[in-house]
Amino acid sequence: EVQLLESGGGLVQPGGSLRLSCAASGFTFSNYGVGWVRQAPGKGLEWVSVISDNGERTEYADSVKGRFTISRDNSKNTVYLQMNSLRVEDTAVYYCAKPRTPGLVPHFDYWGQGTLVTVSS
Amino acid sequence: EIVLTQSPATLSLSPGERATLSCRASQSVITYLAWYQQKPGQAPRLLIYDASNRATGIPARFSGSGSGTDFTLTISSLEPEDFAVYYCQQRYNWPPITFGQGTRLEIK
Repeated sequence: EVQLLESGGGLVQPGGSLRLSCAASGFTFSNYGVGWVRQAPGKGLEWVSVISDNGERTEYADSVKGRFTISRDNSKNTVYLQMNSLRVEDTAVYYCAKPRTPGLVPHFDYWGQGTLVTVSS
Repeated sequence: EIVLTQSPATLSLSPGERATLSCRASQSVITYLAWYQQKPGQAPRLLIYDASNRATGIPARFSGSGSGTDFTLTISSLEPEDFAVYYCQQRYNWPPITFGQGTRLEIK
């Protein structure tokens, strides 16, 4: 059974940092890219970042570019999202998601349960 | 950036009725469009990929159509569990990966 489990969310002050983790199981992790999508309270879905299966390609939304860094450790079946210089508008539930096919074709067929990041003073 | 515009914002229907949801792209996405369903407190669920292909385990009452800039998600006969928010998403020209703003399907 495919599972994605996010962790690392919490309350942080503006300007602070957090590292989110996404632990995957139930599929050949090293064959798939992984994406992060966030959802602010009461709002729609916003793509944040993706990383390719081997980690060589990374892409970011303009809203987080230069502040967030995505990485992965295929030996641990885990993807990370390092979030620095956090802003109030980064407050959201952050989901990690798996593409439907091997590689990095971004239609996502499995999603984690999400982890809440709250940026507030 | 490709902008996806969904309509209507809210759709009020009764169980058993047919639902038609629209997604319009600011430029052609060929057929590289997906539909997701999201219920309160839950993660999104992939329903349709590449405009018309049902994802694994999705009931046949869900169907997708369209190409270019105009796409439709149809639910042939609404079940009580279908009332949720629906999002479209394109993968033709990315980054950025873009989502529509969502259509809320509510019980009339």
